[in-house]
Amino acid sequence: AQTVTQSQPEMSVQEAETVTLSCTYDTSESDYYLFWYKQPPSRQMILVIRQEAYKQQNATENRFSVNFQKAAKSFSLKISDSQLGDAAMYFCAYRSVYGNKLVFGAGTILRVKS
Amino acid sequence: GAGVSQSPSNKVTEKGKDVELRCDPISGHTALYWYRQSLGQGLEFLIYFQGNSAPDKSGLPSDRFSAERTGGSVSTLTIQRTQQEDSAVYLCASSTGAAQYQPQHFGDGTRLSIL
Repeated sequence: AQTVTQSQPEMSVQEAETVTLSCTYDTSESDYYLFWYKQPPSRQMILVIRQEAYKQQNATENRFSVNFQKAAKSFSLKISDSQLGDAAMYFCAYRSVYGNKLVFGAGTILRVKS
Repeated sequence: GAGVSQSPSNKVTEKGKDVELRCDPISGHTALYWYRQSLGQGLEFLIYFQGNSAPDKSGLPSDRFSAERTGGSVSTLTIQRTQQEDSAVYLCASSTGAAQYQPQHFGDGTRLSIL
């Protein structure tokens, strides 16, 4: 079974600075999908960015980018120019090409200081 | 342009009672998922519906949990004889299809508290 590990329970960043959230996963599969979701206090999970494992190029979405290291099974999220609205719980998730579910990590709380 | 709608937003009930949680997916989305989020933890998969196919119930924690999806749209998650360990936020998600790259769109969840 696949597992996802987020080793940082909490992170802090100063407004306008850059922060990187870590995620590692364990799988024996060669093709899969990886996602980062954001969960603000409103509870709604919001998709931040996704990466297809067969693509070597790292995904980017505006201020959000990933560092996907397939051999190391690492999928970190970089947030540039952090804003107060970025404060939330961030979840890394894995989805097999053969499965129906997302497998989530335990999450990282991101605090943004003004 | 409504998103995934869940009701009720919060539910408090006594141990041993049955509860029903409702999910109204985004119009046109054929895939629907239920997850459970216990306090301070990540999401745990419960069940998946896709069109008229048999649901994937592999994540349901016990036979007290069941779910149905009527007419390929609205879904109801039922918990019978609730226990205190059932207290959690129950999140529903939908996606346009079964393809694994399709992102899942989540509702705001139902916070269930068992007294």
